[in-house]
Amino acid sequence: ETGVTQSPTHLIKTRGQQVTLRCSSQSGHNTVSWYQQALGQGPQFIFQYYREEENGRGNFPPRFSGLQFPNYSSELNVNALELDDSALYLCASSLVSTGAEQYFGPGTRLTVT
Amino acid sequence: EDKVVQSPLSLVVHEGDTVTLNCSYEVTNFRSLLWYKQEKKAPTFLFMLTSSGIEKKSGRLSSILDKKELSSILNITATQTGDSAIYLCAVLNDKLIFGTGTRLQVFP
Repeated sequence: ETGVTQSPTHLIKTRGQQVTLRCSSQSGHNTVSWYQQALGQGPQFIFQYYREEENGRGNFPPRFSGLQFPNYSSELNVNALELDDSALYLCASSLVSTGAEQYFGPGTRLTVT
Repeated sequence: EDKVVQSPLSLVVHEGDTVTLNCSYEVTNFRSLLWYKQEKKAPTFLFMLTSSGIEKKSGRLSSILDKKELSSILNITATQTGDSAIYLCAVLNDKLIFGTGTRLQVFP
């Protein structure tokens, strides 16, 4: 059984740039959720994808967007990066969209300068 | 607004001590409460508690859900240095809502 993987591990971007983060879900899982974790805070829900459709969104602006592919892997795209976007971005997969425990990947550390 | 509050924010103990971490919540459409351990990056799943499963135990760790009081506790007995981590509580409705976590440091 393959766990959740994310790439890249670390990333440094300049304010105003765009970034794409990638996530491969655990084998057999069809739901992917993305979270932003700022230093000293708990993860904050960005959005969830279930069977290639967005299935819920947290309080994040439209410049945060995503995709899910037929193999259930997913991308998080952030446009017009701001300094406050610096955080650990976590991806989690689960077997169904609700009511199931989510398994997290190792995260991508994004630094915006 | 849905919220999850954890206490204490930080805890320092010696090996062998027993600790209790607290989590309270005000969340609409509650489905379950989850505990995670975060050491460096990825939170690792510990327990999921629901209305039909309000008490879980695994080795030295145990957790109880009190739906009446809208709270949960995570107990760790005979703590070890390897228990040092941030412990996150999260409540699931249509998404996971996390608390800020409790940082536990266990010294020899």
